[in-house]
Amino acid sequence: DAGVIQSPRHEVTEMGQEVTLRCKPISGHDYLFWYRQTMMRGLELLIYFNNNVPIDDSGMPEDRFSAKMPNASFSTLKIQPSEPRDSAVYFCASSLGDRGHREYFGEGSWLTVV
Amino acid sequence: AQSVAQPEDQVNVAEGNPLTVKCTYSVSGNPYLFWYVQYPNRGLQFLLKYITGDNLVKGSYGFEAEFNKSQTSFHLKKPSALVSDSALYFCAVRDGAGNKLTFGGGTRVLVKP
Repeated sequence: DAGVIQSPRHEVTEMGQEVTLRCKPISGHDYLFWYRQTMMRGLELLIYFNNNVPIDDSGMPEDRFSAKMPNASFSTLKIQPSEPRDSAVYFCASSLGDRGHREYFGEGSWLTVV
Repeated sequence: AQSVAQPEDQVNVAEGNPLTVKCTYSVSGNPYLFWYVQYPNRGLQFLLKYITGDNLVKGSYGFEAEFNKSQTSFHLKKPSALVSDSALYFCAVRDGAGNKLTFGGGTRVLVKP
């Protein structure tokens, strides 16, 4: 399997612009997670889905952030409007089954908002 | 709420010496514990996990971890460190109720030749 695929790998955008990050989980996995990593806050869970349904979005920082999973093979994380403090690495991860299973991480999307 | 503490921001060790990265956790109920490693500009890679059973868990690349319930710890160990082990290591915990994985702040390991 190709693993979890994220795009874009790098994005530089201007403040106020809309940013869309994309994720393709491993085929057959039923859980999908979005994380954000920064030097100040470390690795934070933003939201996760089970069978395409959002289960816990308590980590989404504010209304500017939204996530969707229209089908089992695709998810998006959108920031609108973007702000410089959104600059971070955003990781998508997927897993199969219950809580004893490991998560498989993508290579991340490196976002810089100027 | 569940939490993970990695008390050392950085660990320095000479190549060939034993490596230990510390982790303590707090959860309600039985913990599911994980170690991940992150190399520069890469995603997190799974090393090992503890779910139940033997307290000593063996994982990838010669790493192992010992689960200690009384001390609520899950320290990562490697008997003989390699320069290529230099990376950022994360401990994570999931409680028995949900699927949310909580990560520690990470420990940077530097193995010197």
